[in-house]
Amino acid sequence: ILNVEQSPQSLHVQEGDSTNFTCSFPSSNFYALHWYRWETAKSPEALFVMTLNGDEKKKGRISATLNTKEGYSYLYIKGSQPEDSATYLCALYSGGGADGLTFGKGTHLIIQP
Amino acid sequence: NAGVTQTPKFRILKIGQSMTLQCTQDMNHNYMYWYRQDPGMGLKLIYYSVGAGITDKGEVPNGYNVSRSTTEDFPLRLELAAPSQTSVYFCASSYGSGGGYGYTFGSGTRLTVV
Repeated sequence: ILNVEQSPQSLHVQEGDSTNFTCSFPSSNFYALHWYRWETAKSPEALFVMTLNGDEKKKGRISATLNTKEGYSYLYIKGSQPEDSATYLCALYSGGGADGLTFGKGTHLIIQP
Repeated sequence: NAGVTQTPKFRILKIGQSMTLQCTQDMNHNYMYWYRQDPGMGLKLIYYSVGAGITDKGEVPNGYNVSRSTTEDFPLRLELAAPSQTSVYFCASSYGSGGGYGYTFGSGTRLTVV
C-alpha cells in the first residue's frame, strides 16, 4: 500500500496572502501525480496531472511543481481569495497493480476575509 | 453535458440489506472507478474498470461487487450491508489510465448502515 502524505492537514490564510502546501510520495513508485480541488458539497475537480520531474503547471493563481527524485510536489496559491477555500487533494499513480490513484488525506484551506 | 451522474445522493440501509449505487457517464470514457471516503482518511479504491466487460479489485473490495456491461454504466452492489460500509461513495471516470488523464468525479452517495 502506497503512502501519500499531505501537509499541513489544515491551513488558515488571510485573503490576499499567498500560500503553499506539500504532497510527499515514495519516489520509487512514481508514474504520475494529480492535484484536485474539492469544495464543500461538491465533487473533486481535477487541477493538474504531472508526469515529468521538474514539471511546473499553472492555472490562474494556482501553480504546482514536481520533484520525482525526492518524492514531493508543492501547490502554490497566489493572492488567496475566499473562493479558494477548499480541500486540496493530491494523488499518486504508480503504474503497477490496480489501475487507480492513491489519494492523500488532503489539505483543508480556509481563506479568512 | 452531464459528466458523471450518481444516484442516489443519500441512503439509509439496515444491516443485512442490499442495494445498488448507480453511476453513469456520458463522456465515452473507458476507465471508471469506485472510491469510498471515510472521515479523516483519503479516498480508497474499491473497484475499477478499464472498459466494458472488464472489472478488477482495488484496495478495499470486500463486501462489494461491480459489473460493466456498457461503457456508460458502472454500478456498485452492496450485499449484506454492514455498519463498516457507512461512508461516502464516489464514482469517477477517466479518458485513459491515471498515468496521464485526470478523473471526473460524480457528486457522491452518502450511505449510512444502521
